[in-house]
Amino acid sequence: DAGVTQSPTHLIKTRGQQVTLRCSPKSGHDTVSWYQQALGQGPQFIFQYYEEEERQRGNFPDRFSGHQFPNYSSELNVNALLLGDSALYLCASSLVFPEETQYFGPGTRLLVL
Amino acid sequence: GENVEQHPSTLSVQEGDSAVIKCTYSDSASNYFPWYKQELGKRPQLIIDIRSNVGEKKDQRIAVTLNKTAKHFSLHITETQPEDSAVYFCAASKRGAQKLVFGQGTRLTINP
Repeated sequence: DAGVTQSPTHLIKTRGQQVTLRCSPKSGHDTVSWYQQALGQGPQFIFQYYEEEERQRGNFPDRFSGHQFPNYSSELNVNALLLGDSALYLCASSLVFPEETQYFGPGTRLLVL
Repeated sequence: GENVEQHPSTLSVQEGDSAVIKCTYSDSASNYFPWYKQELGKRPQLIIDIRSNVGEKKDQRIAVTLNKTAKHFSLHITETQPEDSAVYFCAASKRGAQKLVFGQGTRLTINP
């Protein structure tokens, strides 16, 4: 049973660039949530996707956008990168019904220079 | 919005002793409270969770207690071992939302 996978593992970008991160959910899961974890902090909710729609959104600017594909995998896109976007980006998968625990992927560490 | 406060930020205990980490939440509609363990450079891993219809849950050396009236919940680890050293996060979410709001984390160190 495959767990949550993410790619790439590490990424270095410069300010102003755009980045796309990818996530494949745990087998059988239909919901994907994205979190940003700054160094020494708890994860912060970015948004959640279910049935290819953004279901909920946290307090992040429109530079952060996402997508969910018919196979439930998901992408996180960040435009106009800022130094402050440097963080570990975590994807978590779950089932909408019945509500189930969120399982996290290994994350993508993004460094913006 | 929902806010989760976690204490202490660091905790050091002798191997074999117990460790307790406490969290408080602000939104009385929260009904799901997971605890995650994160080792350095690794993903957060669920270690135990509790829903608001129960007051306590145990899994071997780990237990979680919930006080809905006071809006706080705690993680208890007994007979601590060196491999328990990690950062622990509490979180809360509301029914139907699945958006997890995390505490700031507790760095637990087990001294041999």
